[in-house]
Amino acid sequence: ELKVEQNPLFLSMQEGKNYTIYCNYSTTSDRLYWYRQDPGKSLESLFVLLSNGAVKQEGRLMASLDTKARLSTLHITAAVHDLSATYFCAVVIQGGKLIFGQGTELSVKP
Amino acid sequence: EPEVTQTPSHQVTQMGQEVILRCVPISNHLYFYWYRQILGQKVEFLVSFYNNEISEKSEIFDDQFSVERPDGSNFTLKIRSTKLEDSAMYFCASSSDRAYEQFFGPGTRLTVL
Repeated sequence: ELKVEQNPLFLSMQEGKNYTIYCNYSTTSDRLYWYRQDPGKSLESLFVLLSNGAVKQEGRLMASLDTKARLSTLHITAAVHDLSATYFCAVVIQGGKLIFGQGTELSVKP
Repeated sequence: EPEVTQTPSHQVTQMGQEVILRCVPISNHLYFYWYRQILGQKVEFLVSFYNNEISEKSEIFDDQFSVERPDGSNFTLKIRSTKLEDSAMYFCASSSDRAYEQFFGPGTRLTVL
């Protein structure tokens, strides 16, 4: 059975701190996405990672992909309150469908 | 910038009633998807649609569900006889190619009473 697992599921951090969210998946895939979701809202695409060793950065967020380990990370640098949201990773499998992780609910406190 | 739109934003219905959720994908996209998210849970794939037929469907997508592209712009999800457990946020997505990024709509929140 295909699994996409994130950890932690809940993350409470202080402003200014760094932290990493992990996404493990159980099957081969050539693409992995990171999405942000605010409460009651849709999915906002953050990063598309296409190849082994891919690293992308946008502001305080940096995502990486290790296809051999089937692991992606989303690193948060010097967190600010505006980053509070739920973050999902999603893996593309055959036919193009997305399989999502459970989500990591991030709360950044002053 | 082109975007996927969905209507209604919120639908409340009684158990056993039929509902139709509507989506307008991005105009030059050819691949269409429905996903659902039960409150507080992860996003789950329901169905993919290409060339006027279903490409793939999940176990969730049973005989109560159907999809249709009635004209050149709309893509609909019908639930024939809603159950309490159908209460969820339903997202439509589209892409120009199944290898390319899917763009998500704002979602329809379905509440079954």
